[in-house]
Amino acid sequence: DAEITQSPRHKITETGRQVTLACHQTWNHNNMFWYRQDLGHGLRLIHYSYGVQDTNKGEVSDGYSVSRSNTEDLPLTLESAASSQTSVYFCASSEGTSGTTDTQYFGPGTRLTVL
Amino acid sequence: AQKVTQAQTEISVVEKEDVTLDCVYETRDTTYYLFWYKQPPSGELVFLIRRNSFDEQNEISGRYSWNFQKSTSSFNFTITASQVVDSAVYFCALSEEAAGNKLTFGGGTRVLVKP
Repeated sequence: DAEITQSPRHKITETGRQVTLACHQTWNHNNMFWYRQDLGHGLRLIHYSYGVQDTNKGEVSDGYSVSRSNTEDLPLTLESAASSQTSVYFCASSEGTSGTTDTQYFGPGTRLTVL
Repeated sequence: AQKVTQAQTEISVVEKEDVTLDCVYETRDTTYYLFWYKQPPSGELVFLIRRNSFDEQNEISGRYSWNFQKSTSSFNFTITASQVVDSAVYFCALSEEAAGNKLTFGGGTRVLVKP
């Protein structure tokens, strides 16, 4: 069955280290997204991509980067992890083309702790 | 800018009671989409419903029903005869067509169903 996976599911790192969270989907969806979930804030958009080689900044993009070299993967990199980036990170994908509004389906999440 | 407000942060009910979750949204776009997602204690995000701005017909799916009223910018969600398995955090989200496929989430409402 097609799915969307995230790895690792849990990660503990230290302040200042570079961290990469993986997101892989097998639906062949064009659109992929990264959100973070923090208590009291719901989910907030970090970065998103409408296709290969396309990346865009979301609401809370500072300190994060993404790259899209193929359809299936959108890794999220924290260049220099900060304690404020302790959060649960969700990846999502949707079918669309050029950002049309389709339903987003979410991965299981990655819990990141920055000490 | 789009905004979603879920004023109820937590609702506690006894099993078999009905519970209604409020969602109020703000948008300047005439074409937009509204969503509800469920996040059970296991943490994943489960898609429940997607509605476009031109379809105000209420929808029922089993014990779940949704009331969309453009006049009050609301998209409320009712669980009838609640069960313990309904205990979760429920998120309302909005996507404006002009803004592509990006979702703006409300802060979520935690529903606790007691046996």
